[in-house]
Amino acid sequence: EPEVTQTPSHQVTQMGQEVILRCVPISNHLYFYWYRQILGQKVEFLVSFYNNEISEKSEIFDDQFSVERPDGSNFTLKIRSTKLEDSAMYFCASREQGASYEQYFGPGTRLTVT
Amino acid sequence: QKEVEQNSGPLSVPEGAIASLNCTYSDRGSQSFFWYRQYSGKSPELIMFIYSNGDKEDGRFTAQLNKASQYVSLLIRDSQPSDSATYLCAVNRAGNNRKLIWGLGTSLAVNP
Repeated sequence: EPEVTQTPSHQVTQMGQEVILRCVPISNHLYFYWYRQILGQKVEFLVSFYNNEISEKSEIFDDQFSVERPDGSNFTLKIRSTKLEDSAMYFCASREQGASYEQYFGPGTRLTVT
Repeated sequence: QKEVEQNSGPLSVPEGAIASLNCTYSDRGSQSFFWYRQYSGKSPELIMFIYSNGDKEDGRFTAQLNKASQYVSLLIRDSQPSDSATYLCAVNRAGNNRKLIWGLGTSLAVNP
């Protein structure tokens, strides 16, 4: 069964460093999402991506964040200068085109900023 | 502020019982409603979704939607210890983007 994959599973970085989180969405899906979940808190929407551009972003997704689809399979989230409060689980999700409602989630990347 | 509210629990039920999980939402423009299951340290796993008023059944799970009351629920019949997890309610609006807005989740413990 097709699934969303994410790498790495755990990333430890120092404050101020850049990190890139990688996702491979399900191959025939066209809508891609990043969410994050700080420990003990709600899952929060960060950004959605369709047709090679951002379709919506949240207030959290400031200039420190960027997304890219560098090739036909990968979807990346970059944080340019990490802060302690960026420590969270980051989930990638993808969805088919059209009226399909379901978003399928990857296993997540646990980001720890020290 | 568009909110999705859930009772955080924990909800404790004996094995074989029916577990009832509830969710309310504030945005009347919400169109689709999702129940995800999340085990500790893992990603959300879709259980089912509903977009029409009424009931939708899938195996041991039944989702119920009442748009007038802005209320959605999930019933789990014949609860098993493996159902012990946090159940997340999420909603989205119509449109191409369909970002999900999430509740905090209800922790369910099924006791053998």
